[in-house]
Amino acid sequence: DAKTTQPPSMDCAEGRAANLPCNHSTISGNEYVYWYRQIHSQGPQYIIHGLKNNETNEMASLIITEDRKSSTLILPHATLRDTAVYYCIVRILDMRFGAGTRLTVKP
Amino acid sequence: DAGVTQSPTHLIKTRGQQVTLRCSPISGHKSVSWYQQVLGQGPQFIFQYYEKEERGRGNFPDRFSARQFPNYSSELNVNALLLGDSALYLCASSFIRILENSPLHFGNGTRLTVT
Repeated sequence: DAKTTQPPSMDCAEGRAANLPCNHSTISGNEYVYWYRQIHSQGPQYIIHGLKNNETNEMASLIITEDRKSSTLILPHATLRDTAVYYCIVRILDMRFGAGTRLTVKP
Repeated sequence: DAGVTQSPTHLIKTRGQQVTLRCSPISGHKSVSWYQQVLGQGPQFIFQYYEKEERGRGNFPDRFSARQFPNYSSELNVNALLLGDSALYLCASSFIRILENSPLHFGNGTRLTVT
């Protein structure tokens, strides 16, 4: 299974864009990149996923580099409610979570 | 529409006991996965079921077992509980068997405490 590397923590100012990086240098051609977040005491919440093209939905944008070895999740206007642990997952069948990035949005 | 529902929400058991956790997937979802999340760590994959058959298994001992019913609901059983089994147990469902392009949708879990 391809592994991911994420910074353990990040801060972001409220109203600014939050850019969360993920390295997945061993990803193979048919593995998707997924992003989830988990707010304390709740189950992980699906955010977005992609294979090789950039993706955007109502929550976020996903930018995948051309070589697919890294990606960035962008929350365009972070709010206090976006404070959570964000998981980047490379998946072929079952989904394997790492430690994630703890994002703190500050007023 | 109802999301993934899990019961009970909290449970306290004693070492050596057995526990059964229940999960109802989103309507129309045929695949169910179970995860264990120990405090401070990311969720760890335990099982995946599709169409009532086990399709994947993580690195957990045989004390852990599961099954999926004809209505696609699922139960996770843990025998001979250890203190280290204390965790949040998460259930997730997905619409189709080919999961690569199908997000998992998680419930809020069952918090199991073993004393």
